[in-house]
Amino acid sequence: QSVLTQPPSASGTPGQRVTISCSGSSSNIGSNTVNWYQHLPGTAPKVLIYNNNQRPSGVPDRFSGSKSGTSASLAISGLQSEDEADYYCATWDGSLIGVLFGGGTKLTVL
Amino acid sequence: VQLVESGGALVQPGRSLRLSCTASGFTFVESAMSWVRQAPGKGLEWVGLIRRRYYGGTTEYAASVKGRFTISRDDSQNIAYLQMNSLKTEDTGVYYCAVWNYDWFDPWGQGTLVTVSS
Repeated sequence: QSVLTQPPSASGTPGQRVTISCSGSSSNIGSNTVNWYQHLPGTAPKVLIYNNNQRPSGVPDRFSGSKSGTSASLAISGLQSEDEADYYCATWDGSLIGVLFGGGTKLTVL
Repeated sequence: VQLVESGGALVQPGRSLRLSCTASGFTFVESAMSWVRQAPGKGLEWVGLIRRRYYGGTTEYAASVKGRFTISRDDSQNIAYLQMNSLKTEDTGVYYCAVWNYDWFDPWGQGTLVTVSS
């Protein structure tokens, strides 16, 4: 059971907008920035969003992140088939003195 | 920018194994490094990190590996290591190294498979 809670699955049709939530507590999301990673099986994970809402160069602006209080979310607009992957939120936890990952959300493009 | 993990193998429970992460294309000595793993069918799990020498080269570990795993670095060779002792079956998985930007991980290596089984 992860300290950061994500829905295990999400789905949408091409062109739709989907959001993935990540819920934590005051010692992690509540006091630190949140990052999001995309992971396709057999490949290296890739950072999609850092510092809550910043996109690295090369990441399409279809991906956006936000944070409020002890929760964060990743939004993907204009869903494409290549977005089918596992998505993870992550942040620092000051109580555990370490990095936490959410349990991951498997996104299916129908 | 490239990170290449090596050293993954099949090992018996209770034995030790050392993984290496060889870096190129960036200033390794100025970078903090981290290890993240993924057990079969499970999500990503942070293992630990080592800060750059400028910040003391100190380490942090997940509770699940603390006391058994040790991260070190050789700045002259651009290599980060993960020494794993007293291995358990639940340590089985793909181990990734990544640059820790004191908040997010980027880039990541392709991973190396560790299987702990008798």
